[in-house]
Amino acid sequence: GAGVSQSPRYKVAKRGQDVALRCDPISGHVSLFWYQQALGQGPEFLTYFQNEAQLDKSGLPSDRFFAERPEGSVSTLKIQRTQQEDSAVYLCASSAGQGALGYTFGSGTRLTVV
Amino acid sequence: GQQLNQSPQSMFIQEGEDVSMNCTSSSIFNTWLWYKQDPGEGPVLLIALYKAGELTSNGRLTAQFGITRKDSFLNISASIPSDVGIYFCAGQNYGGSQGNLIFGKGTKLSVKP
Repeated sequence: GAGVSQSPRYKVAKRGQDVALRCDPISGHVSLFWYQQALGQGPEFLTYFQNEAQLDKSGLPSDRFFAERPEGSVSTLKIQRTQQEDSAVYLCASSAGQGALGYTFGSGTRLTVV
Repeated sequence: GQQLNQSPQSMFIQEGEDVSMNCTSSSIFNTWLWYKQDPGEGPVLLIALYKAGELTSNGRLTAQFGITRKDSFLNISASIPSDVGIYFCAGQNYGGSQGNLIFGKGTKLSVKP
């Protein structure tokens, strides 16, 4: 597609519920990143894929967070047993390489845990 | 997680004024970037800097990569209402698997028309 597409745009989850957030990167982009942006903060790195391989998951805050990109295109970020501190905007970005010049962010999914 | 020190946190300016914001880090980066984020959207890249001491312009925007590789500034000249938004600096060290960005907390720019 023309840009990075994320769905849903908004998600309200009850505490303890599992959620799945989807990212459709720009076609042909090898690198895919997930970031978490809390209210009033800058985005913070969660995890990085190169094609289907998850090369860095050092930013995932707990084992309740899991990301996959099984065919090297669409990626899903799953959060199990959501907690209030998980409320944030989750941004996906894709890039043709690793340099920042080709790094394109999606509009994000705003997750609110009540 | 690690975030860069960005200042000021917010600023109100009159249309037509120049704006300056800066970013510092305790770590060295080999790339400095400046992004703008509008409400409900993802960050959009404004300027990328790749060499220490580099000064780069993009229209009314000018940014510099500090000589120590631990800081950068962004200037906006002759501000207009559409400059409103949140500006983020970001540092990157790429190579191997390290393509991720480290962001500042943002500078919220509000312009009085």
